[in-house]
Formats: sequence, structure tokens, C-alpha cells
Amino acid sequence: DTAVSQTPKYLVTQMGNDKSIKCEQNLGHDTMYWYKQDSKKFLKIMFSYNNKELIINETVPNRFSPKSPDKAHLNLHINSLELGDSAVYFCASSSSSGGASYEQYFGPGTRLTVT
Amino acid sequence: QKEVEQNSGPLSVPEGAIASLNCTYSDRGSQSFFWYRQYSGKSPELIMSIYSNGDKEDGRFTAQLNKASQYVSLLIRDSQPSDSATYLCAANTNAGKSTFGDGTTLTVKP
Repeated sequence: DTAVSQTPKYLVTQMGNDKSIKCEQNLGHDTMYWYKQDSKKFLKIMFSYNNKELIINETVPNRFSPKSPDKAHLNLHINSLELGDSAVYFCASSSSSGGASYEQYFGPGTRLTVT
Repeated sequence: QKEVEQNSGPLSVPEGAIASLNCTYSDRGSQSFFWYRQYSGKSPELIMSIYSNGDKEDGRFTAQLNKASQYVSLLIRDSQPSDSATYLCAANTNAGKSTFGDGTTLTVKP
């Protein structure tokens, strides 16, 4: 059983296109995240949702729009893709309460290449 | 100043030695701290969490937290080549904000 899954694993697209990445977790967590990891391997939080509500929205271009249809899903839609969007995008989930609060479990990542 | 800073790497230790990884954080509102291991081409994997001052041991790993000094460390005893990876320190506030350090790359030489 995959705890946090993402689709697709690889995404190659041209500048200007619109694409989506999907994330699902079956851990029963109430908080989900999107991270971007660039070529220098720096992991930067983009968004965080708790019970479908946006709680963290870092300085991210508004071409990026997250959507959480329910607690188990968090999708990321990117409009008008740019070369600088090329990176690995990780989804993660955690519980916001209890003894293991905020221990994050990551998905396998989506490697986005914009040409 | 970065919110979470890790000792600059890369760090290289011989097999069987102790590897020491350090991390400082600037947000005094941080309440929970984590160490993640990331192998090349893979996703980060949680290896230790620590919430209160002192030491926490789990097998060959020991995490140490000193909130007064805003300092977190990870010791890996009896280092193995399979421990070679990038180690990421993360700090969380109770509001759920999660900040990661840049990571320290550890190489354990046989």
C-alpha cells in the first residue's frame, strides 16, 4: 500500500502549457503539503492545507494553484509553464495533532521538465 | 539569515565512525524538529523527530535538541555506507509552517 502517491512521476512539457499534478494519501492525515526541490536540492514549501483549508501560502507565483477536494487529496495546477518551473515537486502529508504531529510523509515526487 | 541552517557539507566519515550533523533555527516559535534522509533521486524519509529538550535515541541515531540555543543535532553511530545520503533538518511551528535546511550530504567510506 502506497502511503502518499503522486501522478505523474515524470512530466515533460513546453513553455506556456498548463499542467496538473495529483497527490493522494491513505494515512488518514489532515494536513497536506506541496514542496518544490530545485536543482540545488533545496526543499521549499509552497502550500499547506489542513482539512481542505489553505493554511500556508508561501511566495509562489499565482500561476500555481492548489486544490484540495478532500482531506486525502491535494492537486497542483500550473498555468503558463516557464523554464524556471523545472524541478521536482513533492507532495507530503502529516497529522496536525497528537504525539506525531507534523511528521511528514513524502510522495515519490514528480519531475517536471519545461522545454 | 536563513531560518534553518545546517552545517555545510559535504561530510565524509569512515565506516564505523560517528557522524555528527548540526542545525540551528531562528524562529523561536518552532516547536517540533525533524531529521529526514534523502537518497539521490528519492524522496525525503523521516528518520527522527524531537519535540522537547534533551536527547532522543532510536537505534544508531540520536537527536539532540536545545531550545535555548536554538540548536538541533543528529548523531549517527557506527556509520554504514548505506547511511550515505543528504540529511535535511526541519523545524515546524504550531501553525504548521515547515521550514527545511539546505541539507548536509554525508558520505560514509568503507
